[in-house]
Amino acid sequence: GEQVEQRPPHLSVREGDSAVITCTYTDPNSYYFFWYKQEPGASLQLLMKVFSSTEINEGQGFTVLLNKKDKRLSLNLTAAHPGDSAAYFCAERGNTRKLIFGLGTTLQVQP
Amino acid sequence: AQTIHQWPVAEIKAVGSPLSLGCTIKGKSSPNLYWYWQATGGTLQQLFYSITVGQVESVVQLNLSASRPKDDQFILSTEKLLLSHSGFYLCAWSSTGANTEVFFGKGTRLTVV
Repeated sequence: GEQVEQRPPHLSVREGDSAVITCTYTDPNSYYFFWYKQEPGASLQLLMKVFSSTEINEGQGFTVLLNKKDKRLSLNLTAAHPGDSAAYFCAERGNTRKLIFGLGTTLQVQP
Repeated sequence: AQTIHQWPVAEIKAVGSPLSLGCTIKGKSSPNLYWYWQATGGTLQQLFYSITVGQVESVVQLNLSASRPKDDQFILSTEKLLLSHSGFYLCAWSSTGANTEVFFGKGTRLTVV
């Protein structure tokens, strides 16, 4: 079945450093990708929606890159700050109603 | 604006007892509705989805059931809880179409003792 591998499971960076989280997927029919942020004890907040036709997506303080050839999706936080500390999940969906999530990355940003 | 409300916020229940969790979406007509489960420190597992009133599809069997009695309401239930049911339950909605984002409620934290 479809799988999404997310790396790393844990990431610790200093304030101002960049942080990169990567997901690789197996379904060649994946068209839609999503990044969610989950703060401790809270629900999921949508960071960005990515369509397979767009390789570079800019957000506030982060960039999402999609490499269709390698089936890789990455979230790059350019200058992390303590408020970015949270769990991050990628998710992908083909033409189904099932959203496949990665296992998540716990990011800790140290002041 | 659409709002999604889940209840209760948290529950502590005994093994073997029944459970009912609810979710209401306001401001959106005929949404797709979903139930997700998240083990502590784990990823999200889609349990059920519904595209219309009275119709629910099961994605994973966890001795749980779901119903959609109204267009804006989604219920998750079981008659007999297991310890393995503990976790964080999230209701979510999306518009129709695979390209639409999924929005999550604040969740219910369930502890089975």
